[in-house]
Amino acid sequence: TQLLEQSPQFLSIQEGENLTVYCNSSSVFSSLQWYRQEPGEGPVLLVTVVTGGEVKKLKRLTFQFGDARKDSSLHITAAQPGDTGLYLCAGVTSGTYKYIFGTGTRLKVLA
Amino acid sequence: DTAVSQTPKYLVTQMGNDKSIKCEQNLGHDTMYWYKQDSKKFLKIMFSYNNKELIINETVPNRFSPKSPDKAHLNLHINSLELGDSAVYFCASSQLAGRAPGTDTQYFGPGTRLTVL
Repeated sequence: TQLLEQSPQFLSIQEGENLTVYCNSSSVFSSLQWYRQEPGEGPVLLVTVVTGGEVKKLKRLTFQFGDARKDSSLHITAAQPGDTGLYLCAGVTSGTYKYIFGTGTRLKVLA
Repeated sequence: DTAVSQTPKYLVTQMGNDKSIKCEQNLGHDTMYWYKQDSKKFLKIMFSYNNKELIINETVPNRFSPKSPDKAHLNLHINSLELGDSAVYFCASSQLAGRAPGTDTQYFGPGTRLTVL
């Protein structure tokens, strides 16, 4: 079974702190995406990465795709309460072209 | 204007019933999807349609039948509902025809929470 494991599963931090969320697999992915989902809403795409080692920045969010394209990370600098939500990674498996989602990380940023 | 809309927002029904969830997108996209999100927030793709043609059909019981009357609509009909069907169902759409999900931006609807009693 191809899995995308996210860690941590839950994270509660104070406003202004930095954090990193990880998305790991034993499979290779041809692309990987990160979403944020708020309660009662659908996921919203944050970024797509396609090249091993690629780094993308979106304001205070930094996304990295692992060199071997088996893992990814999301780093948030100076977290704000508005960053609160469920963060999901999702990727297309290389070769089998399956689109699978990660197990999710629930982030709560306290004011 | 709502880009991807779903109706109903909530659906509570008895085991064994047949129900439908409707989805409409006004983005002019060629591809639409159905996803299931379980109680642990795990999201899984069910179907994908491109210009009314089924292109992805994951391992989903044949009690689930998607129907696309036109490019802007993708409805999900579920027969003989079971307790395990309780979940939030999301519709999504993306612009590029024939591209695998994960290479394009998908826009998700607000979800339909289905509860089977």
